[in-house]
Amino acid sequence: AQSVTQLGSHVSVSEGALVLLRCNYSSSVPPYLFWYVQYPNQGLQLLLKYTSAATLVKGINGFEAEFKKSETSFHLTKPSAHMSDAAEYFCAVIMYSSASKIIFGSGTRLSIRP
Amino acid sequence: SQTIHQWPATLVQPVGSPLSLECTVEGTSNPNLYWYRQAAGRGLQLLFYSVGIGQISSEVPQNLSASRPQDRQFILSSKKLLLSDSGFYLCAWSISQGLGAGELFFGEGSRLTVL
Repeated sequence: AQSVTQLGSHVSVSEGALVLLRCNYSSSVPPYLFWYVQYPNQGLQLLLKYTSAATLVKGINGFEAEFKKSETSFHLTKPSAHMSDAAEYFCAVIMYSSASKIIFGSGTRLSIRP
Repeated sequence: SQTIHQWPATLVQPVGSPLSLECTVEGTSNPNLYWYRQAAGRGLQLLFYSVGIGQISSEVPQNLSASRPQDRQFILSSKKLLLSDSGFYLCAWSISQGLGAGELFFGEGSRLTVL
């Protein structure tokens, strides 16, 4: 069965530093993968998605993620962190056993130090 | 454009009382609908999803239930709340097929506190 694992429940970086949030997937077939962001007391919004087209996916707010089949990874990166990036980030996968079932990772809270 | 409404935004209920959270989607037809729960310090747990009227898939056995009486209406209910039901409940929708399937659009959430 497909699943995603997010390493690190909390990541803290300095403003202007590289952001790297890790997500590994488990799937016997190429999955559809997603990154979502959640600001405090709000719903989630889509940052980017991988649907087997380009392996490097660019999203909103300067974020991007690279699908690496050999590493079963879909890590989220941003070259230079901004204070407004502080939020919780979720990796998600769509289940092939049921194309309507979408499973989320446990989330990573990103903090930005001034 | 499509919008999703979820209410109430905040709810404080005693243990053993009933629950009803409602979610409606506008501007689209035959969406897939979802209820997720986010407990403090934990990720998103899929509770229910629905691919059509009256079609409900339950992911976690518990004292919650869901219903879809109309195409764009999704209701989360409980007959008797438990303390462990406290959390942030999120409704979401997606289109049912094609490359857009899987992209979820979330409501603003309902924060439930059971005392």
